[in-house]
Amino acid sequence: GDSVTQMEGPVTLSEEAFLTINCTYTATGYPSLFWYVQYPGEGLQLLLKATKADDKGSNKGFEATYRKETTSFHLEKGSVQVSDSAVYFCALSDLDSGAGSYQLTFGKGTKLSVIP
Amino acid sequence: EPEVTQTPSHQVTQMGQEVILRCVPISNHLYFYWYRQILGQKVEFLVSFYNNEISEKSEIFDDQFSVERPDGSNFTLKIRSTKLEDSAMYFCASTVNSFYEQYFGPGTRLTVT
Repeated sequence: GDSVTQMEGPVTLSEEAFLTINCTYTATGYPSLFWYVQYPGEGLQLLLKATKADDKGSNKGFEATYRKETTSFHLEKGSVQVSDSAVYFCALSDLDSGAGSYQLTFGKGTKLSVIP
Repeated sequence: EPEVTQTPSHQVTQMGQEVILRCVPISNHLYFYWYRQILGQKVEFLVSFYNNEISEKSEIFDDQFSVERPDGSNFTLKIRSTKLEDSAMYFCASTVNSFYEQYFGPGTRLTVT
């Protein structure tokens, strides 16, 4: 079945540091890939997405590139801020799995803390 | 901006009791989902719902679970007889079309004692 593996947290960085959160996946079909973010006390929000190989999703300074050859979708940001402190979830939706509802398969989440 | 809401934010119940978790999806959305996250583990899909019926469910979603859209606005998850292992954060999500982004609620933390 489909699965998502992302790096274990927590990750603690100083403000303006470079961020990478690794994410790899296995899927039976050709999935769409997502990063969701959860700020304290809030629900999951879509951060960015990519629907085909070599697509780059970007939002709020975050980027991730859909790498089919390495089955990866690593999240990066060049300069993190304290306000980026949150839990980040990598997820996929496998359009070819035969399931009509396109449910999301998530990784375990990586907690990021950014200190001033 | 429209958002998915969930109530209660935290529910404590005793083992064997029935609980109902409530969600109000975004009003023009047609597809509805429940996910759960046991502490420290992955967010897991439970069930999807479209056109007033379950479209898919995971192996977690056994006979103890049921979903309903009773009045065209609420979307509920019922657990008939809770077990300790049902303790988790439960997230509701909705989308206008299954190809599109799913919008998540803030979650209900269920604690079974």
